[in-house]
Amino acid sequence: EVQLVESGGGLVQPGGSLRLSCAASGFTFSDYWMHWVRQAPGEGLVWVSRISSDGTNTMYADSVKGRFTMSRDNAKNTMYLQMNSLRAEDTAVFYCVRYGIAFDYWGQGILITVSS
Amino acid sequence: DIQMTQSPFTLSASVGDRVTITCRASQTIYDWLAWYQQKPGEVPKLLIYKASNLQSGVPRRFSGSGFGTEFTLTISSLQPDDFATYYCQQYNEYYTFGQGTKLEIK
Repeated sequence: EVQLVESGGGLVQPGGSLRLSCAASGFTFSDYWMHWVRQAPGEGLVWVSRISSDGTNTMYADSVKGRFTMSRDNAKNTMYLQMNSLRAEDTAVFYCVRYGIAFDYWGQGILITVSS
Repeated sequence: DIQMTQSPFTLSASVGDRVTITCRASQTIYDWLAWYQQKPGEVPKLLIYKASNLQSGVPRRFSGSGFGTEFTLTISSLQPDDFATYYCQQYNEYYTFGQGTKLEIK
């Protein structure tokens, strides 16, 4: 069974940093490109970033470019999202997502709250 | 950037109704379009990929169609479990979601 489990969320002050992790199981992690998608409270889905299967190619939404960095460790079946210079508007549930046929598996999501 | 526009924003319908949600892309995306269902407090679920392909396990009352810039998601006979928010997503050039369509009970 495919499982994606996010961790590392919580409350952070504006300007602060957090690192999210996504632990994958139930599939060959190193075969898949992976994504982060976020959803602010009461709002829609917004794509954040993606990483290639080997970790060499990353891409980011303009809203997070230069502040967020995505990486992965295929030996540990884990990917990461380092989030710096956080802003109030980054408050959202962040989902770890597998790109198989479209976004076919989603983690349960983890809440990031940016507030003083 | 490719913009995705869904209509309607909200849809009220009854069990047994046939409903259609439309998604328009600001430029051609060929058939690189997916539909997702999200219920309150739950994770989005993939329903349709490549515009018209039903994801495994999704009931056949769901169908998708379209190519280029205009797409539709149709539910042939609404069931109580179908009341949710639906999102389209293009994945031809980067990735963009529509703003969502909330399907409510009339």
